[in-house]
Amino acid sequence: NAGVTQTPKFQVLKTGQSMTLQCAQDMNHNSMYWYRQDPGMGLRLIYYSASEGTTDKGEVPNGYNVSRLNKREFSLRLESAAPSQTSVYFCASSPSPDGTGELFFGEGSRLTVL
Amino acid sequence: QKEVEQNSGPLSVPEGAIASLNCTYSDRGSQSFFWYRQYSGKSPELIMSIYSNGDKEDGRFTAQLNKASQYVSLLIRDSQPSDSATYLCAIDPGGSYIPTFGRGTSLIVHP
Repeated sequence: NAGVTQTPKFQVLKTGQSMTLQCAQDMNHNSMYWYRQDPGMGLRLIYYSASEGTTDKGEVPNGYNVSRLNKREFSLRLESAAPSQTSVYFCASSPSPDGTGELFFGEGSRLTVL
Repeated sequence: QKEVEQNSGPLSVPEGAIASLNCTYSDRGSQSFFWYRQYSGKSPELIMSIYSNGDKEDGRFTAQLNKASQYVSLLIRDSQPSDSATYLCAIDPGGSYIPTFGRGTSLIVHP
């Protein structure tokens, strides 16, 4: 009953370092998403993937890259971390275009860039 | 830019009262409307979805949609302290399956 699993849950980086956030879902969902959440800003979409092999930019893609490795996995990479990327990152999946459009979220990854 | 607006709150209600949370949106073509609950330090979880005008009830929760006025609301009856959380409104414009989230309303239910 794992649902959406994100790793790592916590990470501290120095400015300029790179890292990859991993996300995997076991619900056979088609769509996957990466959001960031900052205080007072709600959830903002970074990238999404409507199906395996496709990715598209969301509202705030600058500084990030993604990879939809297969239907289960969708990773988010920060090539050169900046303090402005300090945030909580949520991966989500959805059965869309099947289903009702509901998103299922992972537990979040809390990233601090010093 | 598709906008989803919520009052950030906090909305404070006594235990047992009705909590009313509101959300307005700018895209008239929006088709799907969702309410997520997010406890502090946790991830959002869906509590209600609504797709047509009118009311939809699920236990103590009622979602109300008025497309002509472009608002969706969530009523929580018999509010409990365990309902204290941030409530996020999410709207999927035109069936894109890419919902836009509001900034959330913080609800505090005090005993």
